[in-house]
Amino acid sequence: DGGITQSPKYLFRKEGQNVTLSCEQNLNHDAMYWYRQDPGQGLRLIYYSQIVNDFQKGDIAEGYSVSREKKESFPLTVTSAQKNPTAFYLCASREQGNTEAFFGQGTRLTVV
Amino acid sequence: KNQVEQSPQSLIILEGKNCTLQCNYTVSPFSNLRWYKQDTGRGPVSLTIMTFSENTKSNGRYTATLDADTKQSSLHITASQLSDSASYICVVSRLTGGGNKLTFGTGTQLKVEL
Repeated sequence: DGGITQSPKYLFRKEGQNVTLSCEQNLNHDAMYWYRQDPGQGLRLIYYSQIVNDFQKGDIAEGYSVSREKKESFPLTVTSAQKNPTAFYLCASREQGNTEAFFGQGTRLTVV
Repeated sequence: KNQVEQSPQSLIILEGKNCTLQCNYTVSPFSNLRWYKQDTGRGPVSLTIMTFSENTKSNGRYTATLDADTKQSSLHITASQLSDSASYICVVSRLTGGGNKLTFGTGTQLKVEL
């Protein structure tokens, strides 16, 4: 089955630690995205990548980092510099020229 | 400023009743508008897409409308079911030099009760 997979579903992090969220897709999409979702707010774009080995900052990139070494994978690292990391993180992919985004099931990150 | 506003913020209806969700946008230049359904703890899934020339589009019990002149869209749900309980997100796409950019609304949280 084609789709986009995020792992883990739930993640707990101690303050001061870096954590990496996984996102894998087998849809053969060139573009991949990371969004953050907080209660009462729309999805906010963290980083995006339109092609392998290239990525761009979104609207709220501070405290986050990404890599795009393979077309299928776009991991997100939440660093200790992110002041308020507790949130629901969504990864998405889409074909170039198509506006439909296909989302993963999300990772809920909680800082304890 | 490119914005998408949705109303109401939340809504509770009885099973079998109809409801209408609203989306107003200021995104420009407009490319298309999608409604997504997001179940709790899951990723959003596209329900419908509306382009500039389309006024109405249906997907089962979901009917979306678009008035490009007033920059308004609505999503009408007919004969609601318990499984319709979810967040409904309006997403407007605009054309930029780097391709289509998506602007997300904050969503309407719908709860269908017995």
